[in-house]
Amino acid sequence: GENVEQHPSTLSVQEGDSAVIKCTYSDSASNYFPWYKQELGKRPQLIIDIRSNVGEKKDQRIAVTLNKTAKHFSLHITETQPEDSAVYFCAARDTGRRALTFGSGTRLQVQP
Amino acid sequence: DTAVSQTPKYLVTQMGNDKSIKCEQNLGHDTMYWYKQDSKKFLKIMFSYNNKELIINETVPNRFSPKSPDKAHLNLHINSLELGDSAVYFCASSQGITNEKLFFGSGTQLSVL
Repeated sequence: GENVEQHPSTLSVQEGDSAVIKCTYSDSASNYFPWYKQELGKRPQLIIDIRSNVGEKKDQRIAVTLNKTAKHFSLHITETQPEDSAVYFCAARDTGRRALTFGSGTRLQVQP
Repeated sequence: DTAVSQTPKYLVTQMGNDKSIKCEQNLGHDTMYWYKQDSKKFLKIMFSYNNKELIINETVPNRFSPKSPDKAHLNLHINSLELGDSAVYFCASSQGITNEKLFFGSGTQLSVL
């Protein structure tokens, strides 16, 4: 089955700085890669996703890049704000099991 | 209106008890899921139903039994609760079995004493 590794597990940045979270996946047949944000005590919510036929996607301050050859994808947050503080999860669609496999999460803390 | 709602939000119970968690979605989605989030925040799929049919059944103890009376509802019944069952259980739904864009419920924090 699919295996998704996510780094770093914690990330602390100053307000206004950029943050980058990286994930690798094992199943070369995976073709959908979403990112979820989970605020403390809340549900995970989709913030951006990318498909394997696209190398980069941007939505305001967040962007995701995908390198299919290397089987890794990254989340980039620019001009971070305190409200960006949360746990971020990457995921990959395991086509064999028809399920999303999640990474272990990154706790991002933006210091004001 | 809440898209995916689950009850109860908190569940505190003794070891050995049997408990149920209910989930309902009003998005018209065909597929529903149960995910377990442990104390380290790791999210792991447990079950998935598509139009009331079980399509994913991970390596979960058979003390856990999902039931889907219709495609808008997916309940989770747990028998003989153990300390290790303590976690947050999230219900989720998506349109179709291609499993894109999961919509999560607010979670049920289960504490087994």
